This record gives sequence, C-alpha cells and structure tokens, in this order.
Amino acid sequence: AQSVAQPEDQVNVAEGNPLTVKCTYSVSGNPYLFWYVQYPNRGLQFLLKYITGDNLVKGSYGFEAEFNKSQTSFHLKKPSALVSDSALYFCAVRGGDTGRRALTFGSGTRLQVQP
Amino acid sequence: DGGITQSPKYLFRKEGQNVTLSCEQNLNHDAMYWYRQDPGQGLRLIYYSQIVNDFQKGDIAEGYSVSREKKESFPLTVTSAQKNPTAFYLCATIDLHTQYFGPGTRLTVL
Repeated sequence: AQSVAQPEDQVNVAEGNPLTVKCTYSVSGNPYLFWYVQYPNRGLQFLLKYITGDNLVKGSYGFEAEFNKSQTSFHLKKPSALVSDSALYFCAVRGGDTGRRALTFGSGTRLQVQP
Repeated sequence: DGGITQSPKYLFRKEGQNVTLSCEQNLNHDAMYWYRQDPGQGLRLIYYSQIVNDFQKGDIAEGYSVSREKKESFPLTVTSAQKNPTAFYLCATIDLHTQYFGPGTRLTVL
C-alpha cells in the first residue's frame, strides 16, 4: 500500500520569506511524486512532478521540490513567498508499476502568507 | 482546469435520491478518474476507467456507480446507498503521468 504524510495542517510565512511545505511518502518500487495546489471551491492545479532524473524539480509559479530517496521526502519550496500563494497544497504519490495510475494524496497543508 | 468540465458546480439532493454528476473532457485522454474530497482527508479514489466500456472500483466505490460509453464522458451516479454523500467531487484525466482535474462539483444532501 502507498501513503503520503503531510505533517503540518497549516504553514504560516511572511511575504518575501522562503517557504517549505513538507511531504513524506511510502510506496513500493520507484515513486512518482506530485504537488498540486487548490484554491477555494476549485479543482486541483498541477504544480510539479518527479518521475526520474534530477532530484531538484522546478515547477509553476516559482515553486520547486527536492526528492530525497533516503528520507522518502518530497518537500515543496519557494524562495520568496507571495500573498497570492496562500492556498491548500497537496502532495501525491503513486508507484511506477501501478497499472491504475491513480494517485494517493496527503491530507493537505494550508499555506498562509501574511503581507 | 483546462479541457475538463464538470456540472453542475453545486448540487443539492434529498436523502433517498440518486444523482448523477457529469464529467466531460476534450483532451483526448484515455483514462478518467473520480475522487471524493472531504475536509482534512485529502482526495480518495472512487472509480476509474482506463478505456471506453471498462471501469474499475477504487478505494471507496460503495454507493457509487459509473459508466464509460464515450471517451469524452465519465458520469458518476451517487446512489441512495451512499451513507454520507456530502462532499466535493473531482473528476480527472491523465496524460502519461500527470493527472489533470476538473473544477469539481459540491454535493450537499439535505
């Protein structure tokens, strides 16, 4: 079985400061890892993914994430937070050999960026 | 949200009624998925379809049914057997590895 843990329900950061949203995972085989963002009453927007290759992945809106195999982590980062980054962030995983290709999601982390 | 549409945006249902949520895509993707989102629980997989005329149960399929008669469409029926149907329902497709989501339907049981 695969699982994702997002240990923080909420992360607060001041505008202009760096932000980190944490994610750890458990999966059989090589992991495919994803970050999505959700604004109120909207669907999920894809931010970035790790499939293979460089451990540092760059995505939309200046976000990046670092894959750490030994720590089974995939933390989302941004060097300088914006108030408009305030939203709900989901980490998701699936095993590379999973036929159904469905994702297992974490419970989400609410990011609050204060002006 | 791209080429995935879901309707209606809000849906109210009386207990004992079946309701059908629409999901349409123009991305030409083969596989489609239905997820349910509850506060503080992330998304959980209800049903998925890898190809037309085929679909499989996900992790929480009880009380739900689907059909896949056309590549573009994957409607979800929430039956009266679903004990706690109030939730936000999200449809998704997949392009090789990445899932793309529709805007969602919020279902409320009165």
